[in-house]
Amino acid sequence: GAGVSQSPSNKVTEKGKDVELRCDPISGHTALYWYRQSLGQGLEFLIYFQGNSAPDKSGLPSDRFSAERTGGSVSTLTIQRTQQEDSAVYLCASSLEGADSYEQYFGPGTRLTVT
Amino acid sequence: TQLLEQSPQFLSIQEGENLTVYCNSSSVFSSLQWYRQEPGEGPVLLVTVVTGGEVKKLKRLTFQFGDARKDSSLHITAAQPGDTGLYLCAGAKGYSTLTFGKGTMLLVSP
Repeated sequence: GAGVSQSPSNKVTEKGKDVELRCDPISGHTALYWYRQSLGQGLEFLIYFQGNSAPDKSGLPSDRFSAERTGGSVSTLTIQRTQQEDSAVYLCASSLEGADSYEQYFGPGTRLTVT
Repeated sequence: TQLLEQSPQFLSIQEGENLTVYCNSSSVFSSLQWYRQEPGEGPVLLVTVVTGGEVKKLKRLTFQFGDARKDSSLHITAAQPGDTGLYLCAGAKGYSTLTFGKGTMLLVSP
């Protein structure tokens, strides 16, 4: 079946502009995660959606970052007034609720460059 | 503070050599996962270890979870160029998000 897809694959934007990144999880997966991966920094957790529960936003670095998940499926990560330090690869992952040890399946990521 | 420390950060070896990479923490995890990530792609799950002292083998890869569930190792026998990639460990604490290490970048040359 189809894996996790993300769009766009690459995004170049000017400092101060807003951007939206999209994630389509694996069908039937109720949990969805956003991570940020910067060079040499590993994966940084941003936000987690699980079913109809309130999202865990504890990893969002500032109030310029927000995310929505509509209909329990597609998710959009929005970064307002982008800064150069926002440049990174943004990864989305999904998992099946109740899966052993919370195995996550990742999309290919969106590479964001803020000039 | 990095909860999961991976070492070494970089490893460049010749095809056929053996290697071990480490994932260490002062925290106890309910499970630990290993992922491999290739350039331009997302991480792909290799294995999950749950029980302290557990050893899992995946072809030439051997994964071990420490007895105290605070650390793990990945041993690759007779490395191949196809093993090249970023190896990430990630720890879980109950029903919560994963904590990732910074990864070990492995380059296997023919």
